[in-house]
Amino acid sequence: SYELTQPPSVSVSPGQTASITCSGDKLGEKYASWYQQKPGQSPVLIIYQDTKRPSGIPERFSGSSSGNTATLTISGTQAMDEADYYCQTWDSSTELFGGGTKLTVL
Amino acid sequence: QLQLQESGPGLAKPSETLSLTCTVSGGSIRSDSYYWGWIRQPPGKGLEWIGSIFYSGHTYYNPSLKSRVTVYVDTSKKQVSLKLTSVTAADTAVYYCARHSTVYNWFGPWGQGTLVTVSS
Repeated sequence: SYELTQPPSVSVSPGQTASITCSGDKLGEKYASWYQQKPGQSPVLIIYQDTKRPSGIPERFSGSSSGNTATLTISGTQAMDEADYYCQTWDSSTELFGGGTKLTVL
Repeated sequence: QLQLQESGPGLAKPSETLSLTCTVSGGSIRSDSYYWGWIRQPPGKGLEWIGSIFYSGHTYYNPSLKSRVTVYVDTSKKQVSLKLTSVTAADTAVYYCARHSTVYNWFGPWGQGTLVTVSS
């Protein structure tokens, strides 16, 4: 069965760039979405169709995808970006989520 | 703007059926562009898609849960409902409903979620 793999944790200093990867077989040939979830809150869609941002999502969030990897990039990371991030795609009539990455802003 | 609100019992007994309802407001449930999905999150763990339904009633489910899950829609009440049978402690989770894009398969917005604990 298809799986999406994310690193459990990523650390970044304020103002620096954070990159969170999501790996899956030929993921670049599918569409990936990304969600941000802060403690005690519901997930929020921040990237869809690999690279697009919904209205209201800051420009510092961007996405890319190629080969077997989709990447969420946060430029100029702020303390408020500390959260769990999940990637998601679709395969064989099944919606799949990655295991999630905890982003720590040190 | 579009809002989704989950409701239902916060406690279910092992072997019984979990039933939840998601009420949609601020928009139409009858859209050709969207399904309506259920996703759950066990405490301290990641997200798991349960199933999705179109306003016509077409459904598709997570194969790992398919034998125990039914999702149905009541367009007159703008509600989507979830039934999960034969629950165990492993089904303890926060259950979310979310609008689900038919074309690009993203989920958003999400409801606030409701915690269901399976315990005797």
